[in-house]
Amino acid sequence: ETGVTQSPTHLIKTRGQQVTLRCSSQSGHNTVSWYQQALGQGPQFIFQYYREEENGRGNFPPRFSGLQFPNYSSELNVNALELDDSALYLCASSLVGKGTGELFFGEGSRLTVL
Amino acid sequence: GESVGLHLPTLSVQEGDNSIINCAYSNSASDYFIWYKQESGKGPQFIIDIRSNMDKRQGQRVTVLLNKTVKHLSLQIAATQPGDSAVYFCAESLSGGYNKLIFGAGTRLAVHP
Repeated sequence: ETGVTQSPTHLIKTRGQQVTLRCSSQSGHNTVSWYQQALGQGPQFIFQYYREEENGRGNFPPRFSGLQFPNYSSELNVNALELDDSALYLCASSLVGKGTGELFFGEGSRLTVL
Repeated sequence: GESVGLHLPTLSVQEGDNSIINCAYSNSASDYFIWYKQESGKGPQFIIDIRSNMDKRQGQRVTVLLNKTVKHLSLQIAATQPGDSAVYFCAESLSGGYNKLIFGAGTRLAVHP
């Protein structure tokens, strides 16, 4: 176990709705990264948060947004859901500034958009 | 462009054999590479990493080889066990660390008794 927990584990939404996914990072970690993994593909980087600020973003539209809280937990918000947003959303925490910054992944939130 | 790909989508091996999973990367500026293992229903799990100033790195039963000349990365698993059955991803980074990893599509390793 990595100590990274995500909720909910599964959810179903319809097109146009909004969704919020949550992530609790491993104790002591100050950085959270979010990845989208479509079925049968590798994860794709969405963005990273470090000390409550966005610290890098992948090729995702603005309707994908996030937050990091003072306790380093994080949220991923997706507005105006599209069918192609159906995927496994992975959160990974790390400790930047000390050590290697190795990512520790949670088990993901499986989003289905109908 | 930035991309990481794999030569073989599925690899089947016998228990006890050695496995070799290959990966090609396209960005010569990538300076850090990581192999991850993902079991069904779980998130990716770190296996081993290597920096671009190295050619080889060994871990417990695993070895990663990096050939910068042909932009090729491989993961060797010695004495493959049923518990090694999973999807394996290589990932590259342009920032020298774990920010903005670029993952390949993955190779499924099936270990048969």
